[in-house]
Amino acid sequence: AQSVTQLDSQVPVFEEAPVELRCNYSSSVSVYLFWYVQYPNQGLQLLLKYLSGSTLVKGINGFEAEFNKSQTSFHLRKPSVHISDTAEYFCAVSDLSYGGATNKLIFGTGTLLAVQP
Amino acid sequence: DTAVSQTPKYLVTQMGNDKSIKCEQNLGHDTMYWYKQDSKKFLKIMFSYNNKELIINETVPNRFSPKSPDKAHLNLHINSLELGDSAVYFCASKGQGYNSPLHFGNGTRLTVT
Repeated sequence: AQSVTQLDSQVPVFEEAPVELRCNYSSSVSVYLFWYVQYPNQGLQLLLKYLSGSTLVKGINGFEAEFNKSQTSFHLRKPSVHISDTAEYFCAVSDLSYGGATNKLIFGTGTLLAVQP
Repeated sequence: DTAVSQTPKYLVTQMGNDKSIKCEQNLGHDTMYWYKQDSKKFLKIMFSYNNKELIINETVPNRFSPKSPDKAHLNLHINSLELGDSAVYFCASKGQGYNSPLHFGNGTRLTVT
């Protein structure tokens, strides 16, 4: 069965500094990986996804993530953060066990990115 | 245009009551989901429907009953509400293919007193 671990529950960082949010996954089969962002009192928005091909994936708002199969990681990075990036970030993996068009996302426990001025 | 919309946004009710949350998507997706987010922000799938057919039921108490009148709607009815049901409930939809991302609604914050 697939699982996702986000090692940091909260990451404080100063504005314009770089940031990395860590995500490790566990799976015995090929995976599809996602990062979602949740702003306060809102639903989740897709930041980026890894399906296949290039291991460096670029997403919205200047975020990128690198898929590392040997380390089973999918860390999210941004070279320079803004106050507006303050939000909860969720890593997720597709559970393909149901087959067909339906699958479910298994989410990590989330990382709160707190950007300070 | 809101892609996935849920109503109500907030729901405050007393223990023992029955309540419903409605969800509609205008993305033409075949698959819809209900997720529950607890106070620690942990997201857990509850149900999934594909073309009105129940596909995933994740050990949710029988008090929770989803209903999908058509593939654009997935409602959640909860009987005999308990304090532990307090959470944010998210509806989501997904297009065809394993690699299609989920599109989430803005959530319904349920508070049971």
